[in-house]
Amino acid sequence: DAGITQSPRHKVTETGTPVTLRCHQTENHRYMYWYRQDPGHGLRLIHYSYGVKDTDKGEVSDGYSVSRSKTEDFLLTLESATSSQTSVYFCAITGGLEDTQYFGPGTRLTVL
Amino acid sequence: GENVEQHPSTLSVQEGDSAVIKCTYSDSASNYFPWYKQELGKGPQLIIDIRSNVGEKKDQRIAVTLNKTAKHFSLHITETQPEDSAVYFCAASMDSGAGSYQLTFGKGTKLSVIP
Repeated sequence: DAGITQSPRHKVTETGTPVTLRCHQTENHRYMYWYRQDPGHGLRLIHYSYGVKDTDKGEVSDGYSVSRSKTEDFLLTLESATSSQTSVYFCAITGGLEDTQYFGPGTRLTVL
Repeated sequence: GENVEQHPSTLSVQEGDSAVIKCTYSDSASNYFPWYKQELGKGPQLIIDIRSNVGEKKDQRIAVTLNKTAKHFSLHITETQPEDSAVYFCAASMDSGAGSYQLTFGKGTKLSVIP
């Protein structure tokens, strides 16, 4: 998994609660991405980061926020989880100006 | 934005036969086309990629072709083996500024190789 870990790997939570997912890399890569994967939709970009404290929105950013205070960590927060955010979340990294993305093992989130 | 269509959604082949998965993209500015293999319970794994200045690329039993004029690209797997069974995703991307590339994925093809 190209030096990428995600935590937790599984989480069950209730509607309305805040949730934070963590992506950690050991590669010192500049770019980090958060995707969600849903049946029939493939993978869709939520947010990405191009450096410490530098982030931008992706295709499906509503309801999500991110933070990156260190190169190695990229956090995804659901301020108030909804059932529509039940999904598998993947973090990806890429280095420098390269366009090749490598994915982490994923976090399965269930919002009841 | 970019739109990527992938076909077929499911594909069954006999072991030893070839498998072909096709994708089309909408934005002519896209210039990078990776393919990922995803096994159950795991993250997508890059298996091959191609850039817009190349028409074909091979890596052992896997090949990818790109037709920029028609805006489509294909994955070819020869001599399929049971361990090739997985979900395959195509993607397209372009430089979206600040050196970052945003991938747009197809919806996936579930390949089953029958022993």
